[in-house]
Amino acid sequence: AQTVTQSQPEMSVQEAETVTLSCTYDTSENNYYLFWYKQPPSRQMILVIRQEAYKQQNATENRFSVNFQKAAKSFSLKISDSQLGDTAMYFCAFMKRAGANSKLTFGKGITLSVRP
Amino acid sequence: GAGVSQSPSNKVTEKGKDVELRCDPISGHTALYWYRQSLGQGLEFLIYFQGNSAPDKSGLPSDRFSAERTGGSVSTLTIQRTQQEDSAVYLCASSWRSLQGDTQYFGPGTRLTVL
Repeated sequence: AQTVTQSQPEMSVQEAETVTLSCTYDTSENNYYLFWYKQPPSRQMILVIRQEAYKQQNATENRFSVNFQKAAKSFSLKISDSQLGDTAMYFCAFMKRAGANSKLTFGKGITLSVRP
Repeated sequence: GAGVSQSPSNKVTEKGKDVELRCDPISGHTALYWYRQSLGQGLEFLIYFQGNSAPDKSGLPSDRFSAERTGGSVSTLTIQRTQQEDSAVYLCASSWRSLQGDTQYFGPGTRLTVL
């Protein structure tokens, strides 16, 4: 079974600064996908970024980038130029590549607050 | 196009009553997932549909929970004889296929409160 660990329950960052959210995972799989989802107070889970484990290059999406360390089983999210709208819960998630059921295994989440 | 929708947005019920939660996936998405989000357990997988079939029901916490999907579209999650521990946000997600890596798009969830 896979496990995803987000050890920081909450973080705070000043607007326009950079923040890094940590995530580690445990799996015996070699091929998989990793995701960061954002959940604002509206409850709508929004995909922030995804990473295929077979790709060595770290994924980037505008102000969001990841540091994927496969050997260390680490998948951190960096948010640059933080904005007030980034305030939300952030969940790290794992998906196996093998098999037809692509269910997500989530971490406990981290609450990020962006201060004006 | 329209995203995943869920109804009701909020549901308050009394212990022992049955409830039905509805999910309308994105049109054309063949895979549909139900997750539960609670303070104690975090986000956990409940059940997955491919078309109208449910190949994986492993996350359903008890036989009080059941789900169906009709016409390869709308899904209903039913909880019988609700208990207070069933209080949670129930999230539905859909993806184009169930193949590896297809992005799951989530609905806004149904917050269930069992008194």
